[in-house]
Amino acid sequence: GQNIDQPTEMTATEGAIVQINCTYQTSGFNGLFWYQQHAGEAPTFLSYNVLDGLEEKGRFSSFLSRSKGYSYLLLKELQMKDSASYLCAVKEGNKLVFGAGTILRVKS
Amino acid sequence: DADVTQTPRNRITKTGKRIMLECSQTKGHDRMYWYRQDPGLGLRLIYYSFDVKDINKGEISDGYSVSRQAQAKFSLSLESAIPNQTALYFCATSDPTSGHGTDTQYFGPGTRLTVL
Repeated sequence: GQNIDQPTEMTATEGAIVQINCTYQTSGFNGLFWYQQHAGEAPTFLSYNVLDGLEEKGRFSSFLSRSKGYSYLLLKELQMKDSASYLCAVKEGNKLVFGAGTILRVKS
Repeated sequence: DADVTQTPRNRITKTGKRIMLECSQTKGHDRMYWYRQDPGLGLRLIYYSFDVKDINKGEISDGYSVSRQAQAKFSLSLESAIPNQTALYFCATSDPTSGHGTDTQYFGPGTRLTVL
């Protein structure tokens, strides 16, 4: 089976840095995705990690440690538009298994 | 133009009615998926299809059926809708041969279904 845990909610201040953690237990690990989802909208792809280490993409970075079953999404220079849910998803075989998501609230 | 479209975007129906949700894509992807999203539970896979002749059950297929009419079209049916099928439904597509083989899934805008 699979178990993916991420915090339910986080609050951060505009301009700051926030780290959203994701831990997982799974068999047949085949990569980890992060998606952003604004309320009532479709999830949109942010990042993908399959090897250990940090992937940087502009203000967003994602880290993976396969031995620890751990990933984080790092958002820098927070903007109000970053208020959204962030979904961690583990690829197991050919399927994605999603965590429940972390609601991030950015305050001014 | 949207690459993945879903119709209808909103639907209210009654218990026992048959409902069909449709998904179309212009991305040319072979793989298509149906998910439902409930508050606090995240996205859960209902069915998926890797080509026109391939249909696979996901985590929560009971009460649902699907049809892959063409590479670009994948429909989800609720044969006899019940209130606990009230949810936000998303279609997604992917192509394992593109994007450095990541098989990234791209989502449609969703259908909000309410069963009374």
